[in-house]
Amino acid sequence: EAGVVQSPRYKIIEKKQPVAFWCNPISGHNTLYWYRQNLGQGPELLIRYENEEAVDDSQLPKDRFSAERLKGVDSTLKIQPAELGDSAVYLCASSLDPGATIAEAFFGQGTRLTVV
Amino acid sequence: GDSVTQMEGPVTLSEEAFLTINCTYTATGYPSLFWYVQYPGEGLQLLLKATKADDKGSNKGFEATYRKETTSFHLEKGSVQVSDSAVYFCALAYSSASKIIFGSGTRLSIRP
Repeated sequence: EAGVVQSPRYKIIEKKQPVAFWCNPISGHNTLYWYRQNLGQGPELLIRYENEEAVDDSQLPKDRFSAERLKGVDSTLKIQPAELGDSAVYLCASSLDPGATIAEAFFGQGTRLTVV
Repeated sequence: GDSVTQMEGPVTLSEEAFLTINCTYTATGYPSLFWYVQYPGEGLQLLLKATKADDKGSNKGFEATYRKETTSFHLEKGSVQVSDSAVYFCALAYSSASKIIFGSGTRLSIRP
């Protein structure tokens, strides 16, 4: 069974440019997360979806970040415009059950973003 | 607020050495505790978990015990292998919450 698939794996852009990341969760997983992992730190949640509804986006910088999960499957995370401080690894994860097994999430390999 | 603190790395050991990676947490309630592992070039994987005090999680020779009195969840392995080289993250989560709170990670390198 395929795991969580993210693309691209790497992205280098100039500041003020837009960028988008794509995530395909494990089939049947209703819960999808986007995390950001800065260098030398643990991942931090940006947004969580239950099906197509964003149920927790309190940590998403809404002035420049946006996300969508059309049809409750694939998701896209966008940054516009990107800033130097956005350089990080962006992780997508999915899980089957939003409740007791919340931490049994399966993570993708991430997209490493470098803003220059 | 809730947080997780783990020992800074990198940790370098010889093969077959005993491993301990310290993890302590601050929590307002009674979370579940986890260790995740990130092998080179791969995504985060759940290594083990414990859902209540005194529970012991174990997997692949690794163990960690949920110690409420010391608010700790230290990761141990009796004999490490080169293939254990990875970054290890301690984490906590509540079943009713929406996110996992991670520590900063500890990079482990095992010499042959």
